[in-house]
Amino acid sequence: AQSVTQLDSQVPVFEEAPVELRCNYSSSVSVYLFWYVQYPNQGLQLLLKYLSGSTLVKGINGFEAEFNKSQTSFHLRKPSVHISDTAEYFCAVIPYSSASKIIFGSGTRLSIRP
Amino acid sequence: DAGVTQSPTHLIKTRGQQVTLRCSPKSGHDTVSWYQQALGQGPQFIFQYYEEEERQRGNFPDRFSGHQYPNYSSELNVNALLLGDSALYLCASSLLQRTTDTQYFGPGTRLTVL
Repeated sequence: AQSVTQLDSQVPVFEEAPVELRCNYSSSVSVYLFWYVQYPNQGLQLLLKYLSGSTLVKGINGFEAEFNKSQTSFHLRKPSVHISDTAEYFCAVIPYSSASKIIFGSGTRLSIRP
Repeated sequence: DAGVTQSPTHLIKTRGQQVTLRCSPKSGHDTVSWYQQALGQGPQFIFQYYEEEERQRGNFPDRFSGHQYPNYSSELNVNALLLGDSALYLCASSLLQRTTDTQYFGPGTRLTVL
């Protein structure tokens, strides 16, 4: 079985400050890793994904994430946040054998203060 | 190119009633997955349809059923509604053969059970 843990349910930061949203996963098989963003009253949008290769993955809107296999982590970072980044962020995995069934974490609400 | 569309946007039902939610996948996609997102939680996988058959199923009771039509659109049916079924129901489309392909989410249907 697989599980995804997002260590912070809420993260408040000031505008233009850096931010890191933490994600750890547990799985007995290899997984693909994803971060999704959900803006208020909208569906989910893919930010970035790690499939293989370089452990540092760059996504949309200036976000990046680093896969650490030994620590089973996939933390999301942005060097300078903007008010428009206010949203819910979900870390997720797809086991290699699952044919696209996504397992999500519980989410981290990022709130940006001016 | 239209993305994933869902209808209706909002729905209010009473306990014991039945509900049908609809989803049209992104053009070119043949696989539809359904997720339930309770308030303050991450989405939970309900089931996935490909070639008009249920291919995978999450931990949901038989009250939750679905259908996929030859044009790849899909329906989610929930019978004997419970208060706990109140949630945002998300539909996602993808290509089954490409597990790593990006899944595109619709805006969701918010179901309220009174």
